[in-house]
Amino acid sequence: RKEVEQDPGPFNVPEGATVAFNCTYSNSASQSFFWYRQDCRKEPKLLMSVYSSGNEDGRFTAQLNRASQYISLLIRDSKLSDSATYLCVVILYSSASKIIFGSGTRLSIRP
Amino acid sequence: DTAVSQTPKYLVTQMGNDKSIKCEQNLGHDTMYWYKQDSKKFLKIMFSYNNKELIINETVPNRFSPKSPDKAHLNLHINSLELGDSAVYFCASSQSGVRTLTDTQYFGPGTRLTVL
Repeated sequence: RKEVEQDPGPFNVPEGATVAFNCTYSNSASQSFFWYRQDCRKEPKLLMSVYSSGNEDGRFTAQLNRASQYISLLIRDSKLSDSATYLCVVILYSSASKIIFGSGTRLSIRP
Repeated sequence: DTAVSQTPKYLVTQMGNDKSIKCEQNLGHDTMYWYKQDSKKFLKIMFSYNNKELIINETVPNRFSPKSPDKAHLNLHINSLELGDSAVYFCASSQSGVRTLTDTQYFGPGTRLTVL
């Protein structure tokens, strides 16, 4: 089982729709979680950190479920500009820190 | 001003050659990273340096060696290039102190390496 797994998609949704996708992680010692966004042929950029209590940033909501070991990203009122690949990132701290990126979920918003 | 810069942006070279990719950050960050993103878009960390100390060294061939002349630079040297080394290499930096890695990572624009 991969340490971090994401549905690769693509998710193809109409503008204005609400879309959500999950990212599961296998190591219960995982301690920090993030969502990054990567546009085609560009570098990844931080979208938001994911906090235990869940957090919201405008149309984006991130949640963490430690019991089931997944994080989620919800996008409301999707815009064409939301089309991108969304990468989840998990950081483990033990004897050696480990940063693991998921393979990404591709989202395509259609007019 | 570019926060994290990499040169070159594109690199095409023959198998067996030795090449370097440079990375510089002007954010005053303590930690820098090198990632490889392959054709399947899977982004994998290779190295991380904090104040010239190697703190993450994933299993990569020893043909790859990071060199950090100072806190603002982390260069990647690759010896005896192979076809499988073709990928996009991203440099990144974060403010994190030693062994925390909690902070946002800022990525450079990437270097697209093609080995012929």
